[in-house]
Amino acid sequence: GQQLNQSPQSMFIQEGEDVSMNCTSSSIFNTWLWYKQDPGEGPVLLIALYKAGELTSNGRLTAQFGITRKDSFLNISASIPSDVGIYFCAGHGEEGSQGNLIFGKGTKLSVKP
Amino acid sequence: GAVVSQHPSRVICKSGTSVKIECRSLDFQATTMFWYRQFPKQSLMLMATSNEGSKATYEQGVEKDKFLINHASLTLSTLTVTSAHPEDSSFYICSARSDRLTEAFFGQGTRLTVV
Repeated sequence: GQQLNQSPQSMFIQEGEDVSMNCTSSSIFNTWLWYKQDPGEGPVLLIALYKAGELTSNGRLTAQFGITRKDSFLNISASIPSDVGIYFCAGHGEEGSQGNLIFGKGTKLSVKP
Repeated sequence: GAVVSQHPSRVICKSGTSVKIECRSLDFQATTMFWYRQFPKQSLMLMATSNEGSKATYEQGVEKDKFLINHASLTLSTLTVTSAHPEDSSFYICSARSDRLTEAFFGQGTRLTVV
């Protein structure tokens, strides 16, 4: 089945630094979603991308849907302590939005004040 | 965004008993609900997909008689862990989606501990 490779697996950064993480797939995805999960909570949707090449921002977060439709990245600028958590990429593959969401393995972000 | 409420957030039960977890979409009609299981430091593992009024579709390796899913209305789905054992201890998360939404929205999760 389709799989997403998310990297890096974890990051330790200083407050104020910028962060970048990405997801790649061997097959085409029709939708890319980025979620953040705090400990003991469910994932919260950050950004949704629907078209190849689309670049979308949500505050300090920016995400792009790769032109090849096989990758996406998420950038966080000027990180703050509350950015700590696990970030997941997810997407819909061949079945489109009627199919199941496929998740990456997550990027654990730690921010040192 | 749309709101999905999951209850309870934590539950401790004795081995051999059954536990029911509820997932409600509060401000939209959830035609499809998904149930996930998450082990510590791992990603979400899809257990089953349920469409309102239909039987749930279980992923390979998930016992349907062990994890009973009901999606009787457009705003409520339940997951019942039957005859729970310690190895069923985990974090269970639901998500819901409507025909009008491409995104899925998640509940807060339920931490199940079987002792």
